[in-house]
Amino acid sequence: DADVTQTPRNRITKTGKRIMLECSQTKGHDRMYWYRQDPGLGLRLIYYSFDVKDINKGEISDGYSVSRQAQAKFSLSLESAIPNQTALYFCATSDGIEVTSTGELFFGEGSRLTVL
Amino acid sequence: KQEVTQIPAALSVPEGENLVLNCSFTDSAIYNLQWFRQDPGKGLTSLLLIQSSQREQTSGRLNASLDKSSGRSTLYIAASQPGDSATYLCAGLSGNTPLVFGKGTRLSVIA
Repeated sequence: DADVTQTPRNRITKTGKRIMLECSQTKGHDRMYWYRQDPGLGLRLIYYSFDVKDINKGEISDGYSVSRQAQAKFSLSLESAIPNQTALYFCATSDGIEVTSTGELFFGEGSRLTVL
Repeated sequence: KQEVTQIPAALSVPEGENLVLNCSFTDSAIYNLQWFRQDPGKGLTSLLLIQSSQREQTSGRLNASLDKSSGRSTLYIAASQPGDSATYLCAGLSGNTPLVFGKGTRLSVIA
């Protein structure tokens, strides 16, 4: 089983619909992230969370919200989807930068979202 | 604020050639640098992680180096194969902030 699991893997929806992308991890990491990837624009950070009570905006948080339900779960919501949110979305996890940890980042397989 | 640049954006080489992919970063107080591989439409696979105290890491035909003073990392691929064709991304971690990614180098190895 994958260490970082994203659901759904593919979703087609219509403008104005609410969409939730879910991420769960079995690595025991405190830190979780949501990125989107668009051709030519690279990976852009949407939101990140360094522990269950910590939520931070990334560079492109407008139109998105997140929920950290538990250490292992981090969900991304699009309250009212629009076509320019069509993209490949990735969840990632890492441990911290304490002496005993490396900060290595691990990714899920991605969720392809199409908004018509 | 850390910025990461990868040049060139695309590279095409014949099979069997040794090659180097470049990654530059602006904050020399880097905690680690990580190289990833991404196949089209797929997730990112971690290839190598270099801690700030290390100069290089090796895995099979891959060797990654880190030079903090010059703000550079390189990924060396020996004896390239068509199966190495993918996009390679580097990302730097500085302080208590998320990793910053370069835009990647798209590698094509021609048989």
